[in-house]
Amino acid sequence: TQLLEQSPQFLSIQEGENLTVYCNSSSVFSSLQWYRQEPGEGPVLLVTVVTGGEVKKLKRLTFQFGDARKDSSLHITAAQPGDTGLYLCAGEISGTYKYIFGTGTRLKVLA
Amino acid sequence: NAGVMQNPRHLVRRRGQEARLRCSPMKGHSHVYWYRQLPEEGLKFMVYLQKENIIDESGMPKERFSAEFPKEGPSILRIQQVVRGDSAAYFCASFDYYNEQFFGPGTRLTVL
Repeated sequence: TQLLEQSPQFLSIQEGENLTVYCNSSSVFSSLQWYRQEPGEGPVLLVTVVTGGEVKKLKRLTFQFGDARKDSSLHITAAQPGDTGLYLCAGEISGTYKYIFGTGTRLKVLA
Repeated sequence: NAGVMQNPRHLVRRRGQEARLRCSPMKGHSHVYWYRQLPEEGLKFMVYLQKENIIDESGMPKERFSAEFPKEGPSILRIQQVVRGDSAAYFCASFDYYNEQFFGPGTRLTVL
């Protein structure tokens, strides 16, 4: 069974702090996506990374895909209350168009 | 995500009834995924469909669950003889040429 483990599972921080969320697997993925989900809504795509070692920046968010394409991280600089939500990573199983989702990290940023 | 429509948003069924969940993908997209999400958990893959074709249904229970995506009209996820354990949020995602999924707002199914 292919699994994507995310850590931490829960994170509560003060506004202005930095944080990193990790997404790890023993499987190799052809691409990996990060989503944010608000209560009562569907996940919204933040970024897709495809190449091993790739780094993408989206304003205060930095995404990295591991060299071996088995893991990824999401770093948020100077977190704001608007960053609060459930963060999900999803890996595309090579050659299948099938995605498995991580267990999720629930982030709360306190003002 | 704007563009992917799901209805109903909330559905209440009694045990033994049927549930029909609909998903209209973004314009021009001919592939959809269905996922199930339990509270405080990530999404679990159920089925991947192309118009008039099931590509991968390995995540869908063999009994009571079926999915279709006809040439015309929305994709339908059908759950027969629902049980309490079917209570969850069901999301569909529309899939584009660049291998990106765009999710609908979900249908929250409650089985009494």
